[in-house]
Amino acid sequence: KQEVTQIPAALSVPEGENLVLNCSFTDSAIYNLQWFRQDPGKGLTSLLLIQSSQREQTSGRLNASLDKSSGRSTLYIAASQPGDSATYLCAVRYGNKLVFGAGTILRVKS
Amino acid sequence: SQTIHQWPATLVQPVGSPLSLECTVEGTSNPNLYWYRQAAGRGLQLLFYSVGIGQISSEVPQNLSASRPQDRQFILSSKKLLLSDSGFYLCAWSGHFNSPLHFGNGTRLTVT
Repeated sequence: KQEVTQIPAALSVPEGENLVLNCSFTDSAIYNLQWFRQDPGKGLTSLLLIQSSQREQTSGRLNASLDKSSGRSTLYIAASQPGDSATYLCAVRYGNKLVFGAGTILRVKS
Repeated sequence: SQTIHQWPATLVQPVGSPLSLECTVEGTSNPNLYWYRQAAGRGLQLLFYSVGIGQISSEVPQNLSASRPQDRQFILSSKKLLLSDSGFYLCAWSGHFNSPLHFGNGTRLTVT
């Protein structure tokens, strides 16, 4: 069964701190892995997409890495800001389907 | 640029009533289309996906159905809603398998 797990489930940090969100998946035969952000009551916004052949992707203060053989990805957020507060979800694509983790709820305190 | 529209944003329906949620994509052709449901405190559950007009794959046996009458239109329906159908419904699209998935703003459905 293809499962995606995100740790921690929730995280609270002071503003300015660097932080890491973790995502693990059981089936390594992936097409790609995508990180999303979801604000309360809203849809999902795509942050980064890593193809199965890539090791990492960067966008501004965000850096995502992928270790397909070990079934892991991390999302690194540098110099966190209160506006980063949201739920972060990772999703793994297997063919036509994406399997989502349950998300990490991030709160950045000012 | 591509955009995805989903409506309505919120909906309150009585048990036993029908449902129709619509999603349209602009700025692309032959997209893969998806319906997801997000229950409170839970992850996203894939309900249906479509790789072309009239081609619908169902992931979860349930009280819902989907249709794709046009290339960029995806409709989620029910003949009789159940209380358990309450949730946040999200439409999404992608290009080929290596392209990212893009979501609409979602519909909050409450069945009373």
